[in-house]
Amino acid sequence: EDQVTQSPEALRLQEGESSSLNCSYTVSGLRGLFWYRQDPGKGPEFLFTLYSAGEEKEKERLKATLTKKESFLHITAPKPEDSATYLCAVQAGYELNFGKGTSLLVTP
Amino acid sequence: NAGVTQTPKFRVLKTGQSMTLLCAQDMNHEYMYWYRQDPGMGLRLIHYSVGEGTTAKGEVPDGYNVSRLKKQNFLLGLESAAPSQTSVYFCASRWALNTEAFFGQGTRLTVV
Repeated sequence: EDQVTQSPEALRLQEGESSSLNCSYTVSGLRGLFWYRQDPGKGPEFLFTLYSAGEEKEKERLKATLTKKESFLHITAPKPEDSATYLCAVQAGYELNFGKGTSLLVTP
Repeated sequence: NAGVTQTPKFRVLKTGQSMTLLCAQDMNHEYMYWYRQDPGMGLRLIHYSVGEGTTAKGEVPDGYNVSRLKKQNFLLGLESAAPSQTSVYFCASRWALNTEAFFGQGTRLTVV
């Protein structure tokens, strides 16, 4: 059975304190791994798509990487506005399956 | 450009009542999805559609029905609402399987 596991469930950082979020997956025939950001009361907002092991993508303070078993979302020098829930999803077959997310809080 | 629009945004139902949630997209996307999001459970796939006139079951389909008579609309129905269906429902659409999905703003449903 395909599975997506995110860790940690929650993370609290000081402003400027870099860290990484993990998304491990077990899926046959990965057709894409997606990262989303979700703010309270809103729908998920797309960040990145990764397709093959070794691929990396960056956007401002965020960098996503992919291996054959997991993906990392690296946050460099985070700011309070980076506080949100970060969701990972994998595409296998027709379904887009999400992990439970990591709730990130960045304090000033 | 509206993107993905969900109607209604909020609803309170009594146990046993029925209702339909509407998802409309104006991007000519082929694939559409309905998810529910509960605290600690993440986004769980209810039903999805790979094109006009098609529907398929996801992870948690029981108690829900869907229809996609028009390409731009994906309807989620609850025939007899139960308190366990209290949740936030999200619709999403995408052009192809390897492209990003766009989400609506969500419908908060409470069943009392």
